[in-house]
Formats: sequence, C-alpha cells, structure tokens
Amino acid sequence: EPEVTQTPSHQVTQMGQEVILRCVPISNHLYFYWYRQILGQKVEFLVSFYNNEISEKSEIFDDQFSVERPDGSNFTLKIRSTKLEDSAMYFCASSERELGGNTIYFGEGSWLTVV
Amino acid sequence: AQSVTQPDIHITVSEGASLELRCNYSYGATPYLFWYVQSPGQGLQLLLKYFSGDTLVQGIKGFEAEFKRSQSSFNLRKPSVHWSDAAEYFCAVATQGAQKLVFGQGTRLTINP
Repeated sequence: EPEVTQTPSHQVTQMGQEVILRCVPISNHLYFYWYRQILGQKVEFLVSFYNNEISEKSEIFDDQFSVERPDGSNFTLKIRSTKLEDSAMYFCASSERELGGNTIYFGEGSWLTVV
Repeated sequence: AQSVTQPDIHITVSEGASLELRCNYSYGATPYLFWYVQSPGQGLQLLLKYFSGDTLVQGIKGFEAEFKRSQSSFNLRKPSVHWSDAAEYFCAVATQGAQKLVFGQGTRLTINP
C-alpha cells in the first residue's frame, strides 16, 4: 500500500537554529498537510497546500514556518528559528482530493526536540 | 467552529473484554468522521471512516464505529480486545470542502492481561 514517508524520524536542534522536515507524499495525491503533536496533547493542524500554494493555515503557522514543494515529489516544512515550544512530533499527510469524503494518510512523523 | 470531544482520557480494560471509546463532535453540517490509532512512537493509522450511507462502519483490526446523528456521536467499538490494541485512539472530523482534520484529545487504552 502506498505510504507517506518522512525524514528525519528524529532531530535534535539548538534553539534558534533552522530546521527542515521532509516528506514524500503518496504519488497521485494533490493535497498536502502538516500537523503537529506536542507530547501528551492532541494532534493540531498547521497548514494545507494545494496547487503550489497554501490553501489554509492555522494560528500556529506563523512567520517562522514555511512550506515548499521544491520538486515533483518532496514537500517540506521549514522552521526558521526554532523555539523550545516547537518541540513536537510533526506529521506530514496527503490526500488525493480535498477532505470531506476523502481520506488523509499520515506519515510516521518526525520528532523534533529543541534544546 | 468544529470541535471533537473524547470524554475519556484513559481507559483500562482486560484482554478479551469489550471496548467502547466515545467521541462527540460539534458541527452544523454533515461531518466526515474518522478514527485513527497511534501506537507508542508511531504515526497515525486509519482505523475506519464514515462518509455517508450505513451508519455502522467496519474498520481494520476488528474495530467498528456507529454514527449517531441525533447524539452527534461516533463511538468506536471492539467486541474483544487484544493486548496489541493498547495505544492512543483519536477521533477526527472533517467537513465538505475542508482543508483540515480536527482531532479530539485522544483516549489512551491500556490492556490488562
């Protein structure tokens, strides 16, 4: 079964450093997403991306965050200057069409620890 | 705004016992409902989903869920749990044309031998 893959699985970074999390969505999917889960809390939506632009973003997704689809397969999340509170599991996801009758598939996640 | 409530933060059941995890949502239009499972240190795996039609849906690993519009609920059930079912379970909702899933807080399931 096709799957969403994410790298790295775990990254430790110093506060203030830039981090890039990478994702390869399922190949025929057109909608891409990032979610995050702070330890012990619920999964929260960050951003959705379609047709090479952000289609929706949450309040969490401030100017420190950016997303990009640099080529036909990768989808990246960049955090420009990490803060301690950015420590979380970041999930990439994709769906064939927009939600509402379509399934979103998640990757295994990337653990980010900011020290 | 949409919201999802999972009233039980932590549930413990004995192996072989039946299980019901509760999920209530708040949304005016027809919701699309999902249950995901997350094993420790793992990603989110889709158990089942409800889009339309039969309100009792079957999923993987022997799970089922029933959509009750009158109660705004989508409870997850399993007749007999296995030790491998120990995990965190998340209910989520999306709406027509939505760009995001809204998740509940999650219910942590512990299985006693």
